[in-house]
Amino acid sequence: DGGITQSPKYLFRKEGQNVTLSCEQNLNHDAMYWYRQDPGQGLRLIYYSQIVNDFQKGDIAEGYSVSREKKESFPLTVTSAQKNPTAFYLCATSPPGPEQYFGPGTRLTVT
Amino acid sequence: LAKTTQPISMDSYEGQEVNITCSHNNIATNDYITWYQQFPSQGPRFIIQGYKTKVTNEVASLFIPADRKSSTLSLPRVSLSDTAVYYCLVGDMNLSGYSTLTFGKGTMLLVSP
Repeated sequence: DGGITQSPKYLFRKEGQNVTLSCEQNLNHDAMYWYRQDPGQGLRLIYYSQIVNDFQKGDIAEGYSVSREKKESFPLTVTSAQKNPTAFYLCATSPPGPEQYFGPGTRLTVT
Repeated sequence: LAKTTQPISMDSYEGQEVNITCSHNNIATNDYITWYQQFPSQGPRFIIQGYKTKVTNEVASLFIPADRKSSTLSLPRVSLSDTAVYYCLVGDMNLSGYSTLTFGKGTMLLVSP
């Protein structure tokens, strides 16, 4: 995870509340990504950004929003519209090419 | 993106060589093959990537036959710390040179003493 910070590691929220997950990187990578992982499942792409002030929806963007105001930061907001928000959220960055570098993740629990 | 099929789980013992095979029958000409490793409650870690024939690094080898419809990740002399989920991914890069990865369920490798 070197160079990628996700905070906090564990996050608890009540149903109906929006919550923002932080992702910061000092790798100087242009591209950043957000994934969601449910128990026993692979990762699913939520949003990605290849340049500041631009981002694209991934496979499961509904109920989520992002911003990319700085190259180093790509926060993810889990809105109340997300039906099943409890999951492990992973942020990644990449230089051009196939390799992505992942952060340590944030485990979100919504009750 | 090409769909991949890999075993759900594999068991091995310390010191053995482990080969995990991934099928990707509809791989496209521009697709590359990438393997990631994931430990519980951590983000995946890049292991190796290849396009054809054989690629080797300090961690693993990747064997890709001529038709590229499958690939085999080879882990030499595994240890207990190699217990993890291994993902095979097949994909292209967009015009900007970046890739969006599609992860399946992966192969859970359990290494026993």
